[in-house]
Order: sequence, then structure tokens, then C-alpha cells
Amino acid sequence: SQTIHQWPATLVQPVGSPLSLECTVEGTSNPNLYWYRQAAGRGLQLLFYSVGIGQISSEVPQNLSASRPQDRQFILSSKKLLLSDSGFYLCAWRVPNRDGIQETQYFGPGTRLLVL
Amino acid sequence: QKEVEQNSGPLSVPEGAIASLNCTYSDRGSQSFFWYRQYSGKSPELIMFIYSNGDKEDGRFTAQLNKASQYVSLLIRDSQPSDSATYLCAAHYSGGSNYKLTFGKGTLLTVNP
Repeated sequence: SQTIHQWPATLVQPVGSPLSLECTVEGTSNPNLYWYRQAAGRGLQLLFYSVGIGQISSEVPQNLSASRPQDRQFILSSKKLLLSDSGFYLCAWRVPNRDGIQETQYFGPGTRLLVL
Repeated sequence: QKEVEQNSGPLSVPEGAIASLNCTYSDRGSQSFFWYRQYSGKSPELIMFIYSNGDKEDGRFTAQLNKASQYVSLLIRDSQPSDSATYLCAAHYSGGSNYKLTFGKGTLLTVNP
């Protein structure tokens, strides 16, 4: 079966520090992968998505970046964190639905980031 | 701009009642729709998806889709306190090669014992 992992689970970082969040998927190959951010009182914001190794599409211009060095690994990074980067970061992967017609995204457990 | 709108709530229902959660979407090209449940502090988990007009039932949950009205709903029968969570509606537009979901901000449901 397929599983998705994220780490760390929680992180407290000072403003201006770097960031690296990791997401890995098991039990599948060549998944579509997504990074979302959920800030307090706001909806899910799609940050990046990737359809394959080295292929990254950015949805929102900001001080974050993403990389996909391996097929089942997706990394979210920042060189200098801002206060506004605080939030719940979710990695998701896309799979076909059971009937094979439509697709579904499943979420990892998330990383809660607090920037102070 | 593809948007999905939900009433933020909170929606409060007594235990055993039917909870009705509603969602509208702006893009007529949206073809499939998803309901996720998110407990406080946890990641969203998929409850149901629907892509044909009408009703789709799964246990205590029924999803309803009306493409003419651009309206999706989720009914929860025999609501339980464990159903208390935020419910996210999402729409998928399959045009082009970008497989993305657009999420609403969610409706907070509270089921009172």
C-alpha cells in the first residue's frame, strides 16, 4: 500500500533562518506531488506541484522553493524565513480514484511551522 | 480564477441529526468534486468524491452534485460527536495537463451530544 511521510512534524524557527521540509512517498512510482500551506483561519494554498524528477511548478511567488531530487521525494525550502511563513505545511500525492476515472489527492500528516 | 466557496460556520447540530454542508464553485469546467474532513491539528482525509449529477451514498455520508447550479453538498446522517471537524470541499478541473484541486476554506461542524 502507498504511504506518505513528512518530517519534521513540528518546527519552531527564528525569522531569517533557513528551512527544509521533506516529503517521501512509498509504494508507488512517478507520483504527482504537491506542497500546500494552511495558515490560521485560511484555506489550503497550493504552493508547488511536481509531475516528475526535477519538474517543479510554482503557484505563488514567495520566498519558498521546492525540489524533487528523487522520484518519491519532494522538498520544500527557504533561505530566510519570514513571520508570514508560519503555518501547517502539507504534502499531497495524486492517485487515480478506485474506478480509475477521476483522480484524488491524499495528504501526508503535515509539518506545523512556527516562525518567531 | 477558479474559486470554491463554503460557509465557514460554525454549523452546530445535535447528535443524531442530519448535518448539511454546502459548497459552490465558479468554474463550469470543473468536473469532479471532493469532500475532505480535517480534525483540529490533523491533515485532511478524503471522505467522498463525486463527478456525476445526482446523489452518491457511502454509509452515513451522501454527496450531492448539481452542475447546472454549480453546487455540491455533503449530508451526514445520524451525526455523531466524532463527526465534529472542519469539512473541506474541493473541485478538480481536468482541462489541460495540470492536475490540481481548488479548495474551499472549509466549514466547521460541531455535533453536540
